[in-house]
Amino acid sequence: NAGVTQTPKFRVLKTGQSMTLLCAQDMNHEYMYWYRQDPGMGLRLIHYSVGEGTTAKGEVPDGYNVSRLKKQNFLLGLESAAPSQTSVYFCASTLPRRDSGKSSYEQYFGPGTRLTVT
Amino acid sequence: GQNIDQPTEMTATEGAIVQINCTYQTSGFNGLFWYQQHAGEAPTFLSYNVLDGLEEKGRFSSFLSRSKGYSYLLLKELQMKDSASYLCAVPSGSARQLTFGSGTQLTVLP
Repeated sequence: NAGVTQTPKFRVLKTGQSMTLLCAQDMNHEYMYWYRQDPGMGLRLIHYSVGEGTTAKGEVPDGYNVSRLKKQNFLLGLESAAPSQTSVYFCASTLPRRDSGKSSYEQYFGPGTRLTVT
Repeated sequence: GQNIDQPTEMTATEGAIVQINCTYQTSGFNGLFWYQQHAGEAPTFLSYNVLDGLEEKGRFSSFLSRSKGYSYLLLKELQMKDSASYLCAVPSGSARQLTFGSGTQLTVLP
């Protein structure tokens, strides 16, 4: 049981290049999320998905696209990278559950992808 | 929308007790999470509070007051390995997506 994995771990892009970040989870979670983390700004939600074939925009979606063709995978694409997209990207997933009468949406995070755009 | 405030940095001594505060404003309340994040690593779950009061889990406790929009994380018997960033987060929306505070960087000194 690997949990949440992300590929690649590191990447350097030139402005205008494209790339896809892959997130995979083996916990049969329904919901998946992409966040970016910048110094002093905490984690901000880019896009999320509540199930296979569905995606929705988060707080900072511009410049990114996502796809959820399979339940276990959530892909984040950058079509034309910009220096402002230099960041650490985290994927997360959750399976809503009830524990002792209360619902919990505890999110499990992947190890992150460090992306630098020059 | 959601707004979350927490101190940027805190310093404490090994063996001591430290309290990290978090205040929040949210349009609909669905609980509050605390996560721990070591440098260069992913956030890991510490606690989830949805009802008022204190929840204890080993050396870590978390408190919530919904009427005051306030939570704190209490760390007892501090160890060097507790040096990390502590993130306060509130869920919202259909997917309970998280809005995070900027995090409190805790440094534990010997």
